[in-house]
Amino acid sequence: EDQVTQSPEALRLQEGESSSLNCSYTVSGLRGLFWYRQDPGKGPEFLFTLYSAGEEKEKERLKATLTKKESFLHITAPKPEDSATYLCAVLAGLSFGAGTTVTVRA
Amino acid sequence: EADIYQTPRYLVIGTGKKITLECSQTMGHDKMYWYQQDPGMELHLIHYSYGVNSTEKGDLSSESTVSRIRTEHFPLTLESARPSHTSQYLCASSELRNNSPLHFGNGTRLTVT
Repeated sequence: EDQVTQSPEALRLQEGESSSLNCSYTVSGLRGLFWYRQDPGKGPEFLFTLYSAGEEKEKERLKATLTKKESFLHITAPKPEDSATYLCAVLAGLSFGAGTTVTVRA
Repeated sequence: EADIYQTPRYLVIGTGKKITLECSQTMGHDKMYWYQQDPGMELHLIHYSYGVNSTEKGDLSSESTVSRIRTEHFPLTLESARPSHTSQYLCASSELRNNSPLHFGNGTRLTVT
């Protein structure tokens, strides 16, 4: 059965305190792993797609990496505006994880 | 700027009423989706469509129905609302090619009393 699990559920960081979020997956044939950011009261916003193990993508303070079993979203020197829920998805959006809610305090 | 629009933004309605949640996109995307999201929970796919006259059920059992008569429009209808339908409903669209990212609307928050 295809499954996506994200950890931790919540992450509270001090401004500038780098950390990582995890997305582990079990799918029969990965055709892309997607990361989205969701702000309260809004729909998710696309961040990255990763296709193969070893691939990395970066956007500002965010860097996503992919292995054969999991993906990491690294947040480097976060700022309060990075506070959001980060979702990962596989199978072109047919299966989402529950997300990690990141809170960055000034 | 939003290229995918959902209305209403909030809806409070009584049990047994029929409701339609509207979703329109201006990007010419072939694929469209409806998700249900409860606080702190994952998005559950309710329905999706590959194009006009195409509709498929997702993994979440639902009493809702959808139609796709025009490319840009993908409304979701609940024939008889129940308190268990209280949730956030998100509409999304994407290009037809595999692994195209989803573009989401800002959702409809439905409360059934």
